[in-house]
Amino acid sequence: DAGVTQSPTHLIKTRGQQVTLRCSPKSGHDTVSWYQQALGQGPQFIFQYYEEEERQRGNFPDRFSGHQFPNYSSELNVNALLLGDSALYLCASSLWQGSEQYFGPGTRLTVT
Amino acid sequence: DAKTTQPPSMDCAEGRAANLPCNHSTISGNEYVYWYRQIHSQGPQYIIHGLKNNETNEMASLIITEDRKSSTLILPHATLRDTAVYYCIVAGNTGKLIFGQGTTLQVKP
Repeated sequence: DAGVTQSPTHLIKTRGQQVTLRCSPKSGHDTVSWYQQALGQGPQFIFQYYEEEERQRGNFPDRFSGHQFPNYSSELNVNALLLGDSALYLCASSLWQGSEQYFGPGTRLTVT
Repeated sequence: DAKTTQPPSMDCAEGRAANLPCNHSTISGNEYVYWYRQIHSQGPQYIIHGLKNNETNEMASLIITEDRKSSTLILPHATLRDTAVYYCIVAGNTGKLIFGQGTTLQVKP
């Protein structure tokens, strides 16, 4: 079992650009959640996808959007990048909405 | 805001038990206590969770007080590889985890 995988590992973008991050959940998991972790802080919940729909959302602007595909994989899109979007983006999957979550290694996004 | 309070840092000698406390005085009846840890530059790792009974698995034990207002994570024989930030999280069935600052556990030889 490969566990939760994320791509790419690292990414450098310029202010104003758009970025797409990808996540494949652990085998058998159908729920995917995304988190943003700034340096020195705990992860912050962005949103959760289940049955290809956004089910929960944290306090993030509409520039952050997502998608879940029929195979349960997911994408996180961020538009109009700001310097403050520089962070580690974590994907987590779970068997169902409320069960324990298993995290991927994250994507390190740097906005210059 | 996180619904838990943890000490910012703790030390533990290698081979000894590490006892990490967590206060969650406003926990609701249907909320679970979860523990995750994050080793530097990696994604958080699920450790254990419980509702009101004590729980044990291959990684750790979770002791929840009878009033459920606090809990303790016990790593029975800490190793250097247990050095990490440990997060105590109170969450319901929505799957929305709210992380605080956690406790940085340093295991020393």
